[in-house]
Parts: sequence; C-alpha cells; structure tokens
Amino acid sequence: KQEVTQIPAALSVPEGENLVLNCSFTDSAIYNLQWFRQDPGKGLTSLLLIQSSQREQTSGRLNASLDKSSGRSTLYIAASQPGDSATYLCAVRLVDSNYQLIWGAGTKLIIKP
Amino acid sequence: GAGVSQSPRYKVAKRGQDVALRCDPISGHVSLFWYQQALGQGPEFLTYFQNEAQLDKSGLPSDRFFAERPEGSVSTLKIQRTQQEDSAVYLCASSSSSGWGGEKLFFGSGTQLSVL
Repeated sequence: KQEVTQIPAALSVPEGENLVLNCSFTDSAIYNLQWFRQDPGKGLTSLLLIQSSQREQTSGRLNASLDKSSGRSTLYIAASQPGDSATYLCAVRLVDSNYQLIWGAGTKLIIKP
Repeated sequence: GAGVSQSPRYKVAKRGQDVALRCDPISGHVSLFWYQQALGQGPEFLTYFQNEAQLDKSGLPSDRFFAERPEGSVSTLKIQRTQQEDSAVYLCASSSSSGWGGEKLFFGSGTQLSVL
C-alpha cells in the first residue's frame, strides 16, 4: 500500500532563507506527484505537478524535484517571505488509478519576519 | 462561478443528527471529488463523480455517508446519524477533465463539521 510521508511536520525559519521541504513515498509506481499549499481555513491550491518521467518543475521561487527510484520529492523555496507561511502537502497519483491521490500529512511552514 | 463554493462554512451538529454539505463546482467541470481531512492530516478520498455518475465511493467510511450529484453540477454529501469521529473538514474539488490526467484540481474552502 502506498504511503506518503512528509518530514518535518513543522518548520520555522527567518525571512529570506532558502528552504527545502521533503516528501517520501513507498511505492515508486506513481503516475505523477503534486505539491499543494493550504492556508488556514481555506482549501488547497496546486503549486507544481511533476509527471513520473520528469525530474523537476519550476514556478517562480518554487522548484520541485522528483526521484522516483528513491521515492523522494523535494520542494525548494527560494528567498522565503512571510506570505509563504502555510501548510504544504504533497500527493501522488497511482499508476493504476485514473484519479486516486495519496496524500502526505503536510509540513506547516512559518516564515518569521 | 469563479471557484468551487462549499456551504456551510461551519456546521455544528449534535451526535445523531443528520447533516448535508453542499458543493458547487466550477461551471462545466466534469469531475468532482469529496475528501475528508482530519486535523493535522492530509485529505482522505471519499468519493468521485464524473458528471452525474458516482464512479467510486470506496472511500466513504460507512453506509451513513451518502453523496449525490443528480444533474452533474452541484453535489451534496449527506451524513446520517452523525458521530464524533465524523468531525473533520470536508473538502470538495473539481476538475475539467474526466478522471484526472494531471489537469489542475480546484478545491473549495471546505466545510468544518464538529459533532458534539
């Protein structure tokens, strides 16, 4: 059974630092992996999607990498800002499913001004 | 509408009451998903609709949970005889594709259900 783990559960860093969030999954037979952001009391916003054939995706200050063989993905945030404070979740889509997503529990990120 | 709309935003129910949660997806979106999110956890899949057809309800925790999307747009998640373990945030998401081949998934803000 696919399991998705995100460590650490919470992270607090000063504004301006570069940081890395981690996501690991137990079964490498994934179709794609997606990173989401969740703000308190709000739904989830899709940040980056990486197909299984890709190694990384970039959007602005965000860069997500995927290493399927080792079951890992990282989300790199450059020059962090207080507005980046949120919970970041990763989710994998299984190869044998048209829509099923398996989610991590998220990393709560706090950027201190 | 501009986004996925869910109502009510908050719902407090006494144990044993029935509740109905509404989701209004983005107009024209084919796929609609319901998720349950416990505090500090990622969302757990409940059910999936493609237009009005409920293609997968394998994530519904018990037969007290029922979902419908009769006209292929608005969806309702009903929970009968609520129990304390039903307390969670219920998220609705929609997508323009049938199934989800990597196209963007749009989430509503969720309904926070508290069962006392």
